[in-house]
Amino acid sequence: EAGVAQSPRYKIIEKRQSVAFWCNPISGHATLYWYQQILGQGPKLLIQFQNNGVVDDSQLPKDRFSAERLKGVDSTLKIQPAKLEDSAVYLCASSFAGGNNQPQHFGDGTRLSIL
Amino acid sequence: DQQVKQNSPSLSVQEGRISILNCDYTNSMFDYFLWYKKYPAEGPTFLISISSIKDKNEDGRFTVFLNKSAKHLSLHIVPSQPGDSAVYFCAAKVRGGGADGLTFGKGTHLIIQP
Repeated sequence: EAGVAQSPRYKIIEKRQSVAFWCNPISGHATLYWYQQILGQGPKLLIQFQNNGVVDDSQLPKDRFSAERLKGVDSTLKIQPAKLEDSAVYLCASSFAGGNNQPQHFGDGTRLSIL
Repeated sequence: DQQVKQNSPSLSVQEGRISILNCDYTNSMFDYFLWYKKYPAEGPTFLISISSIKDKNEDGRFTVFLNKSAKHLSLHIVPSQPGDSAVYFCAAKVRGGGADGLTFGKGTHLIIQP
């Protein structure tokens, strides 16, 4: 089966600019997650969707980050305006259904560099 | 406050020997634990998991042990192979209720020496 697809792979912007990332989960996976991985750290959850509804966005910096999954399939994550500390790899993951023993499957991520 | 801790940033093991990666957690609500393997420029790949009702789970060369009283788990790889060289992340979650995002440790870089 095709894995989680993410684009772009790399993005370089200046601080205060905006940026958007796209994710297409594994076909049939109802649950989608966005994680932020800063260099030297483990991934940190930003937001979890179940179909097109938000399940958990408690760690999403809502003053600058937003995410949507309008049709319950692919998703976009936006940062506006970007800060230097947003430099990280943004990982998208999906699972068949949240809250059970299904593992999350990750895409290869988007590496964001803020100048 | 780190709820999942991997205290060894790196580990070097000879090919053919056993690799043991350790992980500690502080949140007693965690009831499901996973290990992921990550190569450079790729996303984490699921390796093996264990539920809190078990103390051991085995899959081929990989075995995960869970000690709930000590809030400690370990991943054993035997025998270690060159392709096992990667960063290994321990992750935990609380099942039920819908929200099941993973909490990760910082990772351990495993290097398999020929």
